Amino acid sequence: GAVVSQHPSRVICKSGTSVKIECRSLDFQATTMFWYRQFPKKSLMLMATSNEGSKATYEQGVEKDKFLINHASLTLSTLTVTSAHPEDSSFYICSARRTSGAQETQYFGPGTRLLVL
Amino acid sequence: GESVGLHLPTLSVQEGDNSIINCAYSNSASDYFIWYKQESGKGPQFIIDIRSNMDKRQGQRVTVLLNKTVKHLSLQIAATQPGDSAVYFCAEIEGYSTLTFGKGTMLLVSP
Repeated sequence: GAVVSQHPSRVICKSGTSVKIECRSLDFQATTMFWYRQFPKKSLMLMATSNEGSKATYEQGVEKDKFLINHASLTLSTLTVTSAHPEDSSFYICSARRTSGAQETQYFGPGTRLLVL
Repeated sequence: GESVGLHLPTLSVQEGDNSIINCAYSNSASDYFIWYKQESGKGPQFIIDIRSNMDKRQGQRVTVLLNKTVKHLSLQIAATQPGDSAVYFCAEIEGYSTLTFGKGTMLLVSP
């Protein structure tokens, strides 16, 4: 299957600092990537849709100035958590949409665990 | 916020048994469905998918059944192994919209 990577896998930061998470599609190009947040024992919550070359589309209730998304190339999207606070601590997962003919499938990265102290 | 003490539905089976994980979806216009497996601390892993013009699809040891009449999806795992222990999510999508995930079911396989 297709491979999506995330970096870093874990990060601990102080409150007030900013953290950047990278999402890469390693063996296919993805014009669309997605960022999810997951709390323990909960399902994935879509935060935003990242579109290559254009602005991200944020879900209701997600602050775009807090969670900055940049999709600068067909294989890389970044999520920056600005001025992080302890309540931002979570598991962040990206996915990339792969299109093959008429078939579209989303492949997920391994996730990034963020802990804000 | 998160509810304290809320746990995922759990299915406990013995190694070698067949497992059936169920999912009720909400959007009658959804035309594509995917099952994902998520192990602890990892991202979701694609297992199998099915389009709305089908009612059954088989993979290696897994079968997905779709009943559009009652908006129900199931994942059958044959000869369940301890390595199958994980949380399983169904996801639905309509056209080119975004995936909507179900709540998840934890599968526990004991040797």
